[in-house]
Amino acid sequence: DQQVKQNSPSLSVQEGRISILNCDYTNSMFDYFLWYKKYPAEGPTFPISISSIKDKNEDGRFTVFLNKSAKHLSLHIVPSQPGDSAVYFCAANFGNEKLTFGTGTRLTIIP
Amino acid sequence: DAGVIQSPRHEVTEMGQEVTLRCKPISGHNSLFWYRQTMMRGLELLIYFNNNVPIDDSGMPEDRFSAKMPNASFSTLKIQPSEPRDSAVYFCASRENTEAFFGQGTRLTVV
Repeated sequence: DQQVKQNSPSLSVQEGRISILNCDYTNSMFDYFLWYKKYPAEGPTFPISISSIKDKNEDGRFTVFLNKSAKHLSLHIVPSQPGDSAVYFCAANFGNEKLTFGTGTRLTIIP
Repeated sequence: DAGVIQSPRHEVTEMGQEVTLRCKPISGHNSLFWYRQTMMRGLELLIYFNNNVPIDDSGMPEDRFSAKMPNASFSTLKIQPSEPRDSAVYFCASRENTEAFFGQGTRLTVV
């Protein structure tokens, strides 16, 4: 049972344009969400997160939007840069429980 | 702090051999996670510990897999006997509050 879903395995975006990565979840108990970024041969790192009491969190070029009624999360990157090319994982947890990940979306920024 | 440290970075072993993966979490973090990354399932949680106690091991694929956390600064994931389908990248992560920090991973190849 996949509680966190990323339906797009890959996405290509022109440099300078906006990248939008999407994530859906099924467990309404989730209260904290994170987007992790993973380069080849490295562990995932997180550029941004959001609590369920908010609907938007912005950090530089990265903005995460949360729509609780739709159980939908998105990450916007603008403007996209070649260094943003990586696999992005959506993750969710509640309380002090386990962190549940989606299957990832490979983002490629085209120069 | 040096972050989460995993060893070895790469492991190649023959089918049927025992494999032990090691993890040193960030000092002061009270939760530790073992994940496996595959193309099909993304980041799949195998087991997690809170305060050195295993909380949820429902993700451990078979009895061939076992994990221990004898103290707050060390954990192992053991596969015995190993099989080719166990080939993957295994990540350890530790967490203090809501955001988990990952190690660099161990790439396991079973031939």
